[in-house]
Amino acid sequence: EVQLLESGGGLVQPGGSLRLSCSVSGVPFSSYAMHWVRQAPGKGLEWVSTISDSGGSTYYADSVRGRFTISRDNSKNTLYLQMNTLRAADTAVYYCAKPRTTVITNPFDYWGQGALVTVSS
Amino acid sequence: EIVMTQSPATLSVSPGERATLSCRASQSVSSNLAWYQQTPGQAPRLLMYGASTRATGIPARFSGSGSGIDFTLTISSLQSEDFAVYYCQQYRNWPPWTFGQGTKVEIK
Repeated sequence: EVQLLESGGGLVQPGGSLRLSCSVSGVPFSSYAMHWVRQAPGKGLEWVSTISDSGGSTYYADSVRGRFTISRDNSKNTLYLQMNTLRAADTAVYYCAKPRTTVITNPFDYWGQGALVTVSS
Repeated sequence: EIVMTQSPATLSVSPGERATLSCRASQSVSSNLAWYQQTPGQAPRLLMYGASTRATGIPARFSGSGSGIDFTLTISSLQSEDFAVYYCQQYRNWPPWTFGQGTKVEIK
């Protein structure tokens, strides 16, 4: 059974930092690119970042580029999102998601349960 | 960046009736279009990919059509568990992978 489990969410002050983790099981993690997608309260889905299977390529939404860093540890089957200089607008549920196949472009067939990040003073 | 526009924002349908949701891309995405379903408090679930292929475990009452810029998701006979928010997503030109703003299907 494929499982994605996020952790690391919480309340942080504006300008602060937080690191999310996503532990993946049930699939050969190192064969898949991985994504982060977020959803602000009451809003739609917004793609945030993607990392290739090897970690050699990373991609970011304009809204987070330069502040967020995606990484992975294939030996631990874990995906990360380091979030720095956080803003109120970053308040959202953050989901990690897996593409349907090992092709990076594919839509996302498994999602984690989500980690709530609240940026507020 | 390809902008995805869904209509209507809210669709009121009675159980057992048909629901038709639309999604339009700002430029052609060929058939690289997916649909997701999200119920309150849950993560999105992949319904369709390739515009018209049902994902694993998705009932046959869900169907998708279209290519290029105009796409449709049809739910042939709405069940109680189908009342949810539906998102389309293009994966033709990336990054970014872009989503529509969602259509909420509510009970009439």
